[in-house]
Amino acid sequence: NAGVMQNPRHLVRRRGQEARLRCSPMKGHSHVYWYRQLPEEGLKFMVYLQKENIIDESGMPKERFSAEFPKEGPSILRIQQVVRGDSAAYFCASSPPDGEKLFFGSGTQLSVL
Amino acid sequence: GENVEQHPSTLSVQEGDSAVIKCTYSDSASNYFPWYKQELGKGPQLIIDIRSNVGEKKDQRIAVTLNKTAKHFSLHITETQPEDSAVYFCAASPNNFNKFYFGSGTKLNVKP
Repeated sequence: NAGVMQNPRHLVRRRGQEARLRCSPMKGHSHVYWYRQLPEEGLKFMVYLQKENIIDESGMPKERFSAEFPKEGPSILRIQQVVRGDSAAYFCASSPPDGEKLFFGSGTQLSVL
Repeated sequence: GENVEQHPSTLSVQEGDSAVIKCTYSDSASNYFPWYKQELGKGPQLIIDIRSNVGEKKDQRIAVTLNKTAKHFSLHITETQPEDSAVYFCAASPNNFNKFYFGSGTKLNVKP
């Protein structure tokens, strides 16, 4: 049973470009969470999704950031017009239908030049 | 909302000694408390968790204790080894598991 898969592992973008981060949850998991981590800091909640629904996006910046978890395919975290301050590690996590036991992927390290 | 505080931020122990990391939470509705270990360049890995109806849970060298009255829970690692060196995060989740609130992390260094 493969774990939470994130790709790419590393993403380099220039200021103003778009970044798309992908996350495939563990098999049988229907809940997806996105977290952001700055160096030497903790995990900051961004968004919680179930299939085709955004349940809680209280941690998402109001502009430039969006997330989706379509019926088919991976969850996508999209950052438009990236700025240097967006540089961070972005982690996806998934949990089964009962919501317990959060499992993390290896993360995507976004670097904005 | 929930607020999870974690101490210490860094902890250095000698190999073979015990390490204790403490967390407090604010929301009495929280009833699930996982602990994660994050090694450099990797995602957090669940190492142990505890539900609010249990006061203590052990898994080999790792144990977690929970005091619901005082709203604090702790991670205990005995007979530490160099491979225990990592950043450890505590978390709290309320009844509906919609959110997991994380502590700020503890960087554990086990000196050989």
